[in-house]
Amino acid sequence: DTGVSQDPRHKITKRGQNVTFRCDPISEHNRLYWYRQTLGQGPEFLTYFQNEAQLEKSRLLSDRFSAERPKGSFSTLEIQRTEQGDSAMYLCASSVGTGPSGANVLTFGAGSRLTVL
Amino acid sequence: GENVEQHPSTLSVQEGDSAVIKCTYSDSASNYFPWYKQELGKGPQLIIDIRSNVGEKKDQRIAVTLNKTAKHFSLHITETQPEDSAVYFCAASSNTGTASKLTFGTGTRLQVTL
Repeated sequence: DTGVSQDPRHKITKRGQNVTFRCDPISEHNRLYWYRQTLGQGPEFLTYFQNEAQLEKSRLLSDRFSAERPKGSFSTLEIQRTEQGDSAMYLCASSVGTGPSGANVLTFGAGSRLTVL
Repeated sequence: GENVEQHPSTLSVQEGDSAVIKCTYSDSASNYFPWYKQELGKGPQLIIDIRSNVGEKKDQRIAVTLNKTAKHFSLHITETQPEDSAVYFCAASSNTGTASKLTFGTGTRLQVTL
């Protein structure tokens, strides 16, 4: 297992275009998270899946953002009608969770850097 | 919600010296405190973590201390090496409900000089 994989690593797009990022978690991990990281800041939570169910979304996740994890394996994060403020690193992480409580150790991918011109 | 503050924002030490990074958190329900190291162009990597039932944890040159009463925790790196140069993030998690999301500090850029 090579860890959490994210694709593409870099994406440059023009304002108003749609972009999609893919995340492949560690195979035995049932929990998957998306975070956003802007320059000079720590990662900020966006959303979280347990298997295929999206259980929590941050207020940062506007209506232009949608995330899916259709078969409980890989996940996609789509941003519609991109804005310059969407420029950031989008990080995916995965973990093993066996119940509603209990801290999970998150393993992060290398991220997908988005630049909106 | 949780708020995590981290200091200092930059830290420069000479090789062989110790480095200390401090964080405070606001949510008394937080019970899990990981530290991540992020190198340029890479995602954050977990280096050590501590849970609220433990006051101190050590792994070779790295140690973390937790003071739940004061709501602060610290990372200690001894005998620093050039490869320790990176950005370090503290984080806290309360694990309420069904989510296990981390709230991160703003990071500390550590530079280890020869």
